[in-house]
Amino acid sequence: AQSVTQLGSHVSVSEGALVLLRCNYSSSVPPYLFWYVQYPNQGLQLLLKYTSAATLVKGINGFEAEFKKSETSFHLTKPSAHMSDAAEYFCAVTSSGTYKYIFGTGTRLKVLA
Amino acid sequence: DTAVSQTPKYLVTQMGNDKSIKCEQNLGHDTMYWYKQDSKKFLKIMFSYNNKELIINETVPNRFSPKSPDKAHLNLHINSLELGDSAVYFCASSQESRGSAEAFFGQGTRLTVV
Repeated sequence: AQSVTQLGSHVSVSEGALVLLRCNYSSSVPPYLFWYVQYPNQGLQLLLKYTSAATLVKGINGFEAEFKKSETSFHLTKPSAHMSDAAEYFCAVTSSGTYKYIFGTGTRLKVLA
Repeated sequence: DTAVSQTPKYLVTQMGNDKSIKCEQNLGHDTMYWYKQDSKKFLKIMFSYNNKELIINETVPNRFSPKSPDKAHLNLHINSLELGDSAVYFCASSQESRGSAEAFFGQGTRLTVV
């Protein structure tokens, strides 16, 4: 079985400050991990994904995440927050042959001016 | 050109009615999904289809019946709608044969049962 835990349902940062959104996973098989962003009244958009090629993954809009197997973590970071980053962020896990993506409960990011 | 499109975007209906949501993907993917997002934004898998075959039915009530007429379409029919069915329903697709591939999501259908 697979699961994802996102610590912090709400995170607030000042504009220009570091963004850190936490994701821990559980998987009995090699995982593939994803971060998605959801803007109000929209679908989910992929930010980045880990597929075992490289542990440090760069995505769109300046986001990156590092896969740490020893910590079973895949935290999302961005050096400098922008107002447009305010949204809901979801971490997800899957693996070959599961035919489903398991999502965390989401983290709402608020960016303060 | 929308990759995964769902219709309608909004659906308001009375309890007891039957409604359908349609989904189409033009990405050539072999796997399609229905997810339910509740009022707390939690995303839960409902169904997944691979090459038109039902693979996952995640303890969804029998009132929900998916149908996949071909690989590019996955529709969701809901009978006898209940207040608790109010949610946003997302269709998604992926290429399962590439196990590391991401899922692409539609814009969602906001269902409100009154």
